[in-house]
Amino acid sequence: EILLTQSPGTLSLSPGERATLSCRASQSVSINNLAWYQQKPGQAPRLLVYGASSRATGLPDRFSGSGSGTDFTLTISRLEPEDFAVYYCQHYDSSSRYTFGQGTKLEIK
Amino acid sequence: EVQLVESGGGLIQPGGALRLSCAASGFAVRSYYIIWVRQAPGGGLEWVSVIYTDGSTYYADSVKGRFTISRDNSKNTLYLQMNSLRADDTAVYYCARGVDNYAAFDYWGQGTLVTVSS
Repeated sequence: EILLTQSPGTLSLSPGERATLSCRASQSVSINNLAWYQQKPGQAPRLLVYGASSRATGLPDRFSGSGSGTDFTLTISRLEPEDFAVYYCQHYDSSSRYTFGQGTKLEIK
Repeated sequence: EVQLVESGGGLIQPGGALRLSCAASGFAVRSYYIIWVRQAPGGGLEWVSVIYTDGSTYYADSVKGRFTISRDNSKNTLYLQMNSLRADDTAVYYCARGVDNYAAFDYWGQGTLVTVSS
């Protein structure tokens, strides 16, 4: 079973700053199987990035995904007030198992 | 417009059973793979089950043998039958639609809360 470890657990930044969120897999994974989501309190998750680097429809271009192998990154170039939320990475493995990371909480400093 | 609407949650005693529904509109459930994901209070996201377009189904180890995913194409609805419920099944349950050729989910329902407690 492939485990996903996200870091940091909490990231405290100010609007306008750059956010870099990390997702590390316990084994090398296919980029087609790596996605990122944003979740705000009381809301369902929202797809941000799929295939490690493809932005979901309508997603502002300040969001970008990158990485390969075991290390993946979600970058928000200039934080807007609405970007403060919890972010999850997600993977699928050949055992037909879907796995989520434990999440990174992005909070206002 | 694509929409997923879950229903069927509620308070149930340990050992009881509950059936969740996920009504889809704007697309045909038979044409997409769809998952159930749950989130315990204050917790992270946990994959529960998936059904593919060919009808094949898979489950997380934590629910295997107790939960069954199915779909009714005529009603355009997905179901999650949950038996032998335990306290640690308490969570908000979401259904979500898969993205073709990728392991990602682009449309999510609003979730339905299942509380297992005596």
